Amino acid sequence: DAKTTQPPSMDCAEGRAANLPCNHSTISGNEYVYWYRQIHSQGPQYIIHGLKNNETNEMASLIITEDRKSSTLILPHATLRDTAVYYCIVRGYSGGGADGLTFGKGTHLIIQP
Amino acid sequence: DAGVIQSPRHEVTEMGQEVTLRCKPISGHNSLFWYRQTMMRGLELLIYFNNNVPIDDSGMPEDRFSAKMPNASFSTLKIQPSEPRDSAVYFCASTPAGGRLGEQFFGPGTRLTVL
Repeated sequence: DAKTTQPPSMDCAEGRAANLPCNHSTISGNEYVYWYRQIHSQGPQYIIHGLKNNETNEMASLIITEDRKSSTLILPHATLRDTAVYYCIVRGYSGGGADGLTFGKGTHLIIQP
Repeated sequence: DAGVIQSPRHEVTEMGQEVTLRCKPISGHNSLFWYRQTMMRGLELLIYFNNNVPIDDSGMPEDRFSAKMPNASFSTLKIQPSEPRDSAVYFCASTPAGGRLGEQFFGPGTRLTVL
């Protein structure tokens, strides 16, 4: 699986958009980009995933560069409840069933009131 | 809907004792994962099952660790004998067949302290 690089921490003002970068310069053609977050004392929570197109759901948007070497998770209107560690994960799909995930250190996003 | 259920939520034991952690996946899910989280090593995948069959146990630290999934609604992770370095939060996660790619549903975790 491709290695990912994320800033260890970021701040964002409440109500503003939070943009979390992830570098995955060694990603290969069949590997997806997944984002999870972990709020303090809870289990990780799936946010979104993508292959090469930008994706949006009720939680966030995922912007993947054309060369797929980096991506940005966007929380459009951050709230205090979005304070968490955000993990960017790159994983291939074996097609034979679910696979385990490899979590890095993530980005600790702190939303400031 | 009930999510992934883990028990106990907290466990304190003494070195050398056997510890059994339990997980009930979401009904209808056919894949189950065990992860461990520590400050030093972060979140690590220990083992996962597809349709009750262990697929990859390469993350299991050593022979003191064992995991079973006797049926689709129950799994255990056993440590025997336990050591202080096993202290961590252990998470169980499940995912359904044909579900959203890469989406795993995590339980609340079991915080294990080995004295």
